[in-house]
Amino acid sequence: AQSVTQLGSHVSVSEGALVLLRCNYSSSVPPYLFWYVQYPNQGLQLLLKYTTGATLVKGINGFEAEFKKSETSFHLTKPSAHMSDAAEYFCAVSERGGSYIPTFGRGTSLIVHP
Amino acid sequence: DVKVTQSSRYLVKRTGEKVFLECVQDMDHENMFWYRQDPGLGLRLIYFSYDVKMKEKGDIPEGYSVSREKKERFSLILESASTNQTSMYLCASSFSGGRGIGQPQHFGDGTRLSIL
Repeated sequence: AQSVTQLGSHVSVSEGALVLLRCNYSSSVPPYLFWYVQYPNQGLQLLLKYTTGATLVKGINGFEAEFKKSETSFHLTKPSAHMSDAAEYFCAVSERGGSYIPTFGRGTSLIVHP
Repeated sequence: DVKVTQSSRYLVKRTGEKVFLECVQDMDHENMFWYRQDPGLGLRLIYFSYDVKMKEKGDIPEGYSVSREKKERFSLILESASTNQTSMYLCASSFSGGRGIGQPQHFGDGTRLSIL
């Protein structure tokens, strides 16, 4: 069975600082990987996804993530945080050739200080 | 753009009432999902449907049922609402079959349900 671990339920950064949100997964084969963002009182929206090919994936709003098979990780980064990035971020995995039901991490709340 | 619409953003009901949460998607997705979201617990899957009239239990189906009579519509039913069902409810949809490979879910804006 696959699982997803997001390290840190809360991450606090200053505006302009690097954002790093960690995601590790366990799966028998490299899965499909997703990052979603949830702004207050809204549903989740896709930031980026990795399915195949280039391991560095660029998403919306300046975010990117790198799939590292050897580390079973898919960490999300952004070079310079903006106040509008304050939100909840979820990492999710779907098994290749398996169920269409993804497994979600518990989420990381990003707090951006002025 | 895919649109997943949940019928209510906020809902207040009383203990023991039968509650219906409606979800409609406009992209011909085969799969539809109901989650509840609680602080510190992330998203928990209640029910999943992969076709009309088909449903599968998720991780926390107790106290809930679902209905999918049309492909675009997936309803969540709280048979007899209780206070521990106060939560944010999220509906999602996705492609299935060959088109579903590596495809993400699309979410509605959620229904914040309070049971008094």
